[in-house]
Amino acid sequence: DAKTTQPPSMDCAEGRAANLPCNHSTISGNEYVYWYRQIHSQGPQYIIHGLKNNETNEMASLIITEDRKSSTLILPHATLRDTAVYYCIVRDINTDKLIFGTGTRLQVFP
Amino acid sequence: DAGITQSPRHKVTETGTPVTLRCHQTENHRYMYWYRQDPGHGLRLIHYSYGVKDTDKGEVSDGYSVSRSKTEDFLLTLESATSSQTSVYFCAISAGDPGANVLTFGAGSRLTVL
Repeated sequence: DAKTTQPPSMDCAEGRAANLPCNHSTISGNEYVYWYRQIHSQGPQYIIHGLKNNETNEMASLIITEDRKSSTLILPHATLRDTAVYYCIVRDINTDKLIFGTGTRLQVFP
Repeated sequence: DAGITQSPRHKVTETGTPVTLRCHQTENHRYMYWYRQDPGHGLRLIHYSYGVKDTDKGEVSDGYSVSRSKTEDFLLTLESATSSQTSVYFCAISAGDPGANVLTFGAGSRLTVL
């Protein structure tokens, strides 16, 4: 079973920041949080990952709360091409597997 | 997609026939995975491999077998396809670095079992 909880859908206006939340209250101390997205029917695409510090790359920022029970993916200036399903995943430390949930469907509108 | 190809991309078959999907990588990555994706279920892990001839089961392995005789190829076999196995199948690869299990996915194989 997925170890994360995400809202099923969100909307965001083009040019605005998209903030996608994720709860992972049972995360272990050495488990990383990963974010992927899937555009239409393409294969999922890696976005970012982190352990306990906030992370930023060319695609997004990842904010992890101090207790690590939740995180937020931030797309600073959403575009129409960011419309996709976004998956928040905690890696299973025992098996090294990534278990996907059903994700958040982000709709960016003009 | 970045050194990973799946074949066939589309296949229609009949119930009871065997089907093999192939995942080929040119990245020399150690880990390879097969996922299936169905409406309302996101991606579910079928089998994975952490090296040549080393494989393990995922969440939904019943009815599927895999083989990995070479680093670059990971085969998914449906011995006797059923309609419930109609799905989109994604292969993924990973270098498997501890703490950085970043997966790269293929473009997917759409299988329809009539």
